Amino acid sequence: EIVLTQSPGTLSLSPGERAALSCRASQSVISSYLAWYQQKPGQAPRRLIYGASTRATGIPDRFSGTGSGTDFTLTISRLEPEDFAVYYCQQYVSSPTFGGGTKVEIK
Amino acid sequence: EVQLVESGGGLVQPGGSLRLSCAASGFTFSRYWMHWVRQAPGKGLVWVSQIETDGSSTTYAESVKGRFTISRDNAKNTLYLQMNSLRAEDTAVYYCARTGSARDFDYWGQGALVIVSS
Repeated sequence: EIVLTQSPGTLSLSPGERAALSCRASQSVISSYLAWYQQKPGQAPRRLIYGASTRATGIPDRFSGTGSGTDFTLTISRLEPEDFAVYYCQQYVSSPTFGGGTKVEIK
Repeated sequence: EVQLVESGGGLVQPGGSLRLSCAASGFTFSRYWMHWVRQAPGKGLVWVSQIETDGSSTTYAESVKGRFTISRDNAKNTLYLQMNSLRAEDTAVYYCARTGSARDFDYWGQGALVIVSS
């Protein structure tokens, strides 16, 4: 099973700042099969990025995904108030696994 | 519009059973692999199980193997999760999710809460 480690666990930032969230895999992940999700309290997760770098329909262009192999990054260029949430990465090489999540909170 | 609506959650005693349902609409259900993902209170997302389009192939997380059974009825556009021998650690919100084009989860239901407690 591929283990995904997300860091930091919590990111304290102000609106307008840039956020960089890391997702590191225990073994190489096919880039096509790396996705990012946003989850707000009491809500289901929402897909943001798939294929490591493709934004899902309706996702603002301030969200971007990069990376390959074992290191992937989700970047939010300028945080909006609605972006404060928990973010998860996910891979699906043999069976799906999720990272532990990064909480982006208001500083 | 794609919709996934879970039902069947509730309170059950340890060792008991529960069956979750996920009613799908807005897409051709029989063409998609489907999944169950759970989230314990205050914790992260954990994949539970998946089922192929015609139900011929299923896979489970080790933590539920032998206790949970995923199935589907394509005529009814419904996904199921039969949960037996429930334990306290199975307490979670259970989401059904559709497989996207890149082996991701492109649509999610709103979740069904399962509480295992005496």
